[in-house]
Amino acid sequence: GAGVSQTPSNKVTEKGKYVELRCDPISGHTALYWYRQSLGQGPEFLIYFQGTGAADDSGLPNDRFFAVRPEGSVSTLKIQRTERGDSAVYLCASSYGPGTEAFFGQGTRLTVV
Amino acid sequence: GIQVEQSPPDLILQEGANSTLRCNFSDSVNNLQWFHQNPWGQLINLFYIPSGTKQNGRLSATTVATERYSLLYISSSQTTDSGVYFCAPSNQAGTALIFGKGTTLSVSS
Repeated sequence: GAGVSQTPSNKVTEKGKYVELRCDPISGHTALYWYRQSLGQGPEFLIYFQGTGAADDSGLPNDRFFAVRPEGSVSTLKIQRTERGDSAVYLCASSYGPGTEAFFGQGTRLTVV
Repeated sequence: GIQVEQSPPDLILQEGANSTLRCNFSDSVNNLQWFHQNPWGQLINLFYIPSGTKQNGRLSATTVATERYSLLYISSSQTTDSGVYFCAPSNQAGTALIFGKGTTLSVSS
């Protein structure tokens, strides 16, 4: 696609529920990144994929967070047993490879009530 | 990990004024990007600048990697320049951009 696409743009869920956030990267980009941005802060790294594999998941806050990229294109960020503290904007980015220019999607605003 | 400090945290300008935003980072980096986050939250790429100087219209950026800082210059500011400006160097492996807290710019007419 022309840019990184994220769906849904907004998601409201109840505490304890499971959510999935989707990212469709720029065509041809093998690197994909997930970030989380809280109000008034800069984006915080969560996980990096090179192709299908999670090459760096050092930013995942705990085991309730998981992400997949089974075919090396679309990625899904999965959050189990959501907590109110998970409320944030979740951003996805893609690039041609590690350390190359990254481009961001418009984000998914997750609200846990 | 790399620490990123941006200054000033907030900046208020009159339309037409010039400004310089600074980004200091704590370790050597292989690449660095500047972004503008508009009021709708979209992160817009401004510069990919591991070193040297680049210019794009009214904006220019300089990174001095050996001294661990980067500068973003905005000349003849416009109200549409308002938003948050982020500097983001990459970690050594290139697997993550490390963001500062940003500089919030408000330009009034």
